[in-house]
Amino acid sequence: QSALTQPASVSGSPGQSITISCSGTSSDVGDYNYVSWYQQHPGKAPKLMIYEVSNRPSGVSNRFSGSKSGNTASLTISGLQAEDEADYYCSSYTRSSTPVVFGGGTKLTVL
Amino acid sequence: QVQLVESGGGLVKPGGSLRLSCAASGFTFSDYYMSWIRQAPGRGLEWVSYISSSGSTIYYTDSVKGRFTISRDSAKNSLYLQMNSLRAEDTAVYYCARVRGTVTNHYYYYYAMDVWGQGTTVTVSS
Repeated sequence: QSALTQPASVSGSPGQSITISCSGTSSDVGDYNYVSWYQQHPGKAPKLMIYEVSNRPSGVSNRFSGSKSGNTASLTISGLQAEDEADYYCSSYTRSSTPVVFGGGTKLTVL
Repeated sequence: QVQLVESGGGLVKPGGSLRLSCAASGFTFSDYYMSWIRQAPGRGLEWVSYISSSGSTIYYTDSVKGRFTISRDSAKNSLYLQMNSLRAEDTAVYYCARVRGTVTNHYYYYYAMDVWGQGTTVTVSS
């Protein structure tokens, strides 16, 4: 099963908004609203930020939002803060023998 | 509070075996699917396996099929990963995670991993 495709890196200045894309296929992102996003700071465990494309778990800032169009899902972070600097991973259910797929990850740098 | 704590990692020679454990607390372990995810040094997350709440449904990523075995013991609130025939490319931090999903037409659809442990490091090297 191929990984979902994410940009290797994105950057933005404090207060700005950025969007991270996650490209899949009609076997995963395109056909199911089961996309999730995870934030990982260096040396730490991943943290769930978005599930089912656009839902935020309790305690996650509303500066984080998710969306989907066709085979591509997106994570938008508004009002960038220094603490948002981290790696971000998307994941999706996939209609295959291996039902979970992750993206390669995107390193967000806050300038 | 809801918590997952992994243990069992270490240094092992190629071809060797290791058993990872994940102790769950703060939630009803037997109600949830559970999963193992790994992260090789400097690399991204890679899903390894998950097991249904009853233990009757199990999936593996292709690269570990036939070598790794996931299991659970609800009496001990614990998840396990038996790893045999280890290779250098299995070197990674291994995380356990609680799986959230939905059942539609008797089929389970994963949609998130909402609780993660701190990870345990496995190094395969001679």
